[in-house]
Amino acid sequence: EPEVTQTPSHQVTQMGQEVILRCVPISNHLYFYWYRQILGQKVEFLVSFYNNEISEKSEIFDDQFSVERPDGSNFTLKIRSTKLEDSAMYFCASSEIQSTDTQYFGPGTRLTVL
Amino acid sequence: QQQVKQSPQSLIVQKGGISIINCAYENTAFDYFPWYQQFPGKGPALLIAIRPDVSEKKEGRFTISFNKSAKQFSLHIMDSQPGDSATYFCAASHNAGNMLTFGGGTRLMVKP
Repeated sequence: EPEVTQTPSHQVTQMGQEVILRCVPISNHLYFYWYRQILGQKVEFLVSFYNNEISEKSEIFDDQFSVERPDGSNFTLKIRSTKLEDSAMYFCASSEIQSTDTQYFGPGTRLTVL
Repeated sequence: QQQVKQSPQSLIVQKGGISIINCAYENTAFDYFPWYQQFPGKGPALLIAIRPDVSEKKEGRFTISFNKSAKQFSLHIMDSQPGDSATYFCAASHNAGNMLTFGGGTRLMVKP
């Protein structure tokens, strides 16, 4: 069964450093998403991406965040200058068609900012 | 208005019992209500979903009940098994946006 994959599984970084989280969505999917989950809390939407553009973003997704689809398979989330409060599990998701179609989640990248 | 409120935060059920998790929403534009199951160290996985044109949807031991007028929906797990022990999230979305708004999660433990 096709699945969303994410790398790395765990990323440790120093405060102020840039990190890039990588995702490979399911191959025929057209909509891509990033969510985050701070330990013990609920899953929060960050951004959605379609046709090489951001479709929607939350207030969490400020200027330090950016997303990119650098090639036909990868979807990345960049955090330019990490803060302690960016420590969380980051999930990539993808869906085949539109917003109310099933979103399939990857296993997540645990980001630890020291 | 975007919030989805979920209860209880944790639930302990004996094997074979019924697990019931409730969610309430405020935004009447929501028209898609999925439930996700998450095991430790894994991403959320879709369990079952409902749209507001039906009041109930059943898939195996899992049933969603939907009350549009009350803006509430619930997940019932029949004949709960220890393997069902996980965190369950309700969520909602609407066509105007792609984002899923998640509830706070319910940690379910099914005792053998």
